[in-house]
Amino acid sequence: QVQVQESGPGLVKPSETLSLTCTVSGYSISSGYYWGWIRQPPGYGLEWLGSIYYSGNTYYNPSLKSRVTLSVDTSKNQFSLKLSSVTAADTAVYYCAREAYSSGGYYMDVWGKGTTVTVSS
Amino acid sequence: EIVMTQSPATLSMSPGERATLSCRASQSVSSNLAWYQQKPGQAPGLLIYGASTRATGIPARFSGSGSGTEFTLTISSLQSEDFAVYYCQQYNNWPPGTFGQGTKVEIK
Repeated sequence: QVQVQESGPGLVKPSETLSLTCTVSGYSISSGYYWGWIRQPPGYGLEWLGSIYYSGNTYYNPSLKSRVTLSVDTSKNQFSLKLSSVTAADTAVYYCAREAYSSGGYYMDVWGKGTTVTVSS
Repeated sequence: EIVMTQSPATLSMSPGERATLSCRASQSVSSNLAWYQQKPGQAPGLLIYGASTRATGIPARFSGSGSGTEFTLTISSLQSEDFAVYYCQQYNNWPPGTFGQGTKVEIK
């Protein structure tokens, strides 16, 4: 059974970089699939941030592209998110997920439980 | 970017009733649409992909239909565990995969 689990600091100061890691169990990242990040501000809907393949190929949401960096560590079966220059608007629950391919795009078929990140001084 | 619009924002229903949720795309997304269910304090979970294919383990009371710009999620007989927020997501014009704002199904 594939599981993904987010980890990282729950509090980040404004203008700093938010860093989260997603650990995958029950499946080898190197076997395929894209792996992505989605966030949900308090009381709001879902926003896709970006995805990464085990080879390092990435796709980013154009609205955040300049601030988002994804990386992958196949030896640890993990992938990571960095979001730079954060503001209070980046306060959200951050989810990692496995992305399944269908007809040119990807939907999320396995989700982590999410981790809350608050941006505050 | 494709904009997804869900209606209604809130649906007040009684257990056993049939619920119909709508999702509209600002341009055609073919059948490249997924539905997710999110219960309070939990992560979303995949219900439907390809507009009408149920994900593994999803009960048959959940069904999806539509193509192009108009989609529907139907819950044939609401169970207590179905009261949640439902999101649609298009993945035809990807990236980004864009979500609707959600429909909350609440107990009447």
